[in-house]
Amino acid sequence: DIQMTQSPSSLSASVGDRVTITCRASQSISSYLNWYQQKPGKAPKIMIYAASTLQSGVPSRFSGSGSGTDFTLTISSLQPEDFATYYCQQSYSIPQWTFGQGTKVEIK
Amino acid sequence: QVQLQESGPGLVKPSGTLSLTCAVSGGSISSNSWWSWVRQPPGKGLEWIGEIYHGGSTSYNPSLKSRVTISVDKSKNQFYLKLNSVTAADTAVYYCARGITRSGTNWFDPWGQGTLVTVSS
Repeated sequence: DIQMTQSPSSLSASVGDRVTITCRASQSISSYLNWYQQKPGKAPKIMIYAASTLQSGVPSRFSGSGSGTDFTLTISSLQPEDFATYYCQQSYSIPQWTFGQGTKVEIK
Repeated sequence: QVQLQESGPGLVKPSGTLSLTCAVSGGSISSNSWWSWVRQPPGKGLEWIGEIYHGGSTSYNPSLKSRVTISVDKSKNQFYLKLNSVTAADTAVYYCARGITRSGTNWFDPWGQGTLVTVSS
């Protein structure tokens, strides 16, 4: 199966900072990469699909890029409501979906 | 809009069977989607368990396949998870989620709120 590895596992940042999270696949997955946001005690929420397409209603400060094995999620100006854990998920290997281990974005 | 709600016992004894229901509202389970179960052990990441299509075909995570059964009841607009021979390692928040295919790709949306199942005697 395809392994997804995120880095870092956690980071501390301040409101207004630019934040970048990386996700690496164990084999090429083209652009079949999704990003989810999860807040404590809540279900994950889709933020970006197909590596770079923003889900409807997601603020434009979020962006995604990459293809093949290396992907990034960028928050251009971190807002208080963005403190959460972010997961990548590959949708290339149908239907053996796998997630990264998560990146927790904490307040500095 | 489609909403999902998990229900079931919050405590299961070791070696027993975990049984959960996901009720779908605001849309038909017979739509062109698939219906998944995902779990999250406390403080850990997400693990896909398996999924079912409205026609009844299923796919499972190979690591759980021998213990998992997912089924659907279209008349009730619900789908189900059974996980047998549970151990403490199966303690997790269990989520149901709808799988969507659009623009040639797939993702999960929406998710249920999740239900914590603890395996303990």
